[in-house]
Amino acid sequence: IAGITQAPTSQILAAGRRMTLRCTQDMRHNAMYWYRQDLGLGLRLIHYSNTAGTTGKGEVPDGYSVSRANTDDFPLTLASAVPSQTSVYFCASSDSIGYTFGSGTRLTVV
Amino acid sequence: GQSLEQPSEVTAVEGAIVQINCTYQTSGFYGLSWYQQHDGGAPTFLSYNALDGLEETGRFSSFLSRSDSYGYLLLQELQMKDSASYFCAVKGSGNTPLVFGKGTRLSVIA
Repeated sequence: IAGITQAPTSQILAAGRRMTLRCTQDMRHNAMYWYRQDLGLGLRLIHYSNTAGTTGKGEVPDGYSVSRANTDDFPLTLASAVPSQTSVYFCASSDSIGYTFGSGTRLTVV
Repeated sequence: GQSLEQPSEVTAVEGAIVQINCTYQTSGFYGLSWYQQHDGGAPTFLSYNALDGLEETGRFSSFLSRSDSYGYLLLQELQMKDSASYFCAVKGSGNTPLVFGKGTRLSVIA
């Protein structure tokens, strides 16, 4: 089934630890995105990539990094997790108009 | 920058019609999208308007007025399964990512 796979589904992480959230798509979409969702704040863009080899910063990029080595994969790394990064993280991809979202990663930083 | 305003909550009766409004401020405008998200789920694409007017897809319709920086999502013949959060999102240009509103939580009651 075509779509986006995110892993892990959920994670509890000690503050200060490094963590990589994985995102893989099989639709050959050029553009990919990382959003975080917090209650009452909607979806906020962290980083994006319009095509393999390029990345850009979104609204809330601090504390996060991304890479886009190929079309299918777009991992998000938290270098040193802090409690304010507790959130639900959604990866998405797009070919033109509509975005396809993964099922999300629920991350709790303690 | 870009900002979007939509009501935080709406309640409507099963079988009725409900309209969810969205106003936006953006430095550039490429189109207005709508997404649905059930509790615990991922956002899913509903509709996209690039030009003024009404787009209809089954029970759902979306309207755009570019001169008023305004759009709405119209849901007809409401069903209990329509209870979800609905997000409007604006695209500033062809290559810029979507910026989402904070979402409207729709509750459909019997």
